[in-house]
Parts: sequence; structure tokens; C-alpha cells
Amino acid sequence: DGGITQSPKYLFRKEGQNVTLSCEQNLNHDAMYWYRQDPGQGLRLIYYSQIVNDFQKGDIAEGYSVSREKKESFPLTVTSAQKNPTAFYLCASRPRTGGTTEAFFGQGTRLTVV
Amino acid sequence: KQEVTQIPAALSVPEGENLVLNCSFTDSAIYNLQWFRQDPGKGLTSLLLIQSSQREQTSGRLNASLDKSSGRSTLYIAASQPGDSATYLCAVFSSGSARQLTFGSGTQLTVLP
Repeated sequence: DGGITQSPKYLFRKEGQNVTLSCEQNLNHDAMYWYRQDPGQGLRLIYYSQIVNDFQKGDIAEGYSVSREKKESFPLTVTSAQKNPTAFYLCASRPRTGGTTEAFFGQGTRLTVV
Repeated sequence: KQEVTQIPAALSVPEGENLVLNCSFTDSAIYNLQWFRQDPGKGLTSLLLIQSSQREQTSGRLNASLDKSSGRSTLYIAASQPGDSATYLCAVFSSGSARQLTFGSGTQLTVLP
């Protein structure tokens, strides 16, 4: 089945550690996005990529890094520079062009600092 | 910068009622608007997508309208059921160089049996 897979579902990070969240899609979509969701708030954009080997900062990119070496993969690294990383992280993808521009989301990764 | 607002933030209704959720956005230069549903601890499920040239879309008991010139969209849910209880989010896909989805903070709906 086509879709977006995020892993792991739950992730625990110690202070000072870098952790990487995985996002894979088999929808052949060009554009991929990472969002952060905090309780009672909407989704805030961290990074997005419209094509392989290119990505742009979103509204809250500080303390995060991404790569887009393959069309189907857009991993997010939460670095030790991110002071408040505990949140729910959502990955999305959509066709860059074409008649259907619907965005599809993964099931999310909940990151907790311990 | 695009800003999206959803009103009300929370809504509780008895089963069977028809209800309307509101979404407003500040920049009318959009490609489309999408309504999502989110269950607790889960990802987002797409409900309806309205292109900028369309005025409404329907799926089952759901009807979404779009008035791009006034920067407003509504999601109408007919004959609400307890299974409709969730958070409903609207997002706009802005045209121009930014080309990113901007979300509202959602409306948390509770349908009481």
C-alpha cells in the first residue's frame, strides 16, 4: 500500500544527544515536510523539501537538521542545540506539481527528553 | 506571512446535531485548502481538499466551503456522531515562492452520546 511511514513511534532522548527521526514515502511525491506539534497548538513547520538534494528552513528550524538524498526519504535530526525537543513530530508529503495537491501525513513520532 | 485561525477552539455538542467549524486565513493567494482530522496521539487524516477555483467539496456527511476572496472556509458536519469526536485542522497551501502548508490550531470536537 502507498503511504508515509514514520519511525519510531516513540523515542526517548537523553540530554545532549542527537536523535534522528525517519520518514519514508512510496507515493512518488516530490515535496516532503516536517512539522512539530505541541499540546493545544497547531502544527509548526520545521523544514521542507521540494526536490531531492534541496531543502528549506521553516518557521522553527533552529536545533534541527535534515537531508534529502533520496526522493522517498526525508530524515529529521534533532540536535542537542534544540533546547525543548519534547513534542509530537509529523512528516508529510505531497506532489510538487500535478492536478492533485493533497498532502498526506504519517502517524507521527513522539519524542520525549529524559 | 500566512496566518490561519480556527474558531471555536473547542466545541461540545449532543449526538445528532449539525455543526459548523470555521477557518480563516490572511493571504488569499492560495493553491488549495485542506481539512484534516486528528485523533489523540495519531497523525492527520485528510478529509476534504478544496482547490482555489472551487467553492465547495462534499464527502458523505461532510461539506467544506471556500470563499477565497474573504479568506474563509467552513466545515459542515451533518448529523454528528460520537465517532466524529476528534480535533479538526484546516491548512492552506500558499502560492508563491514559499509554497508551504500553514495550519490553524484546530477545533477540538466532542460529540456526546
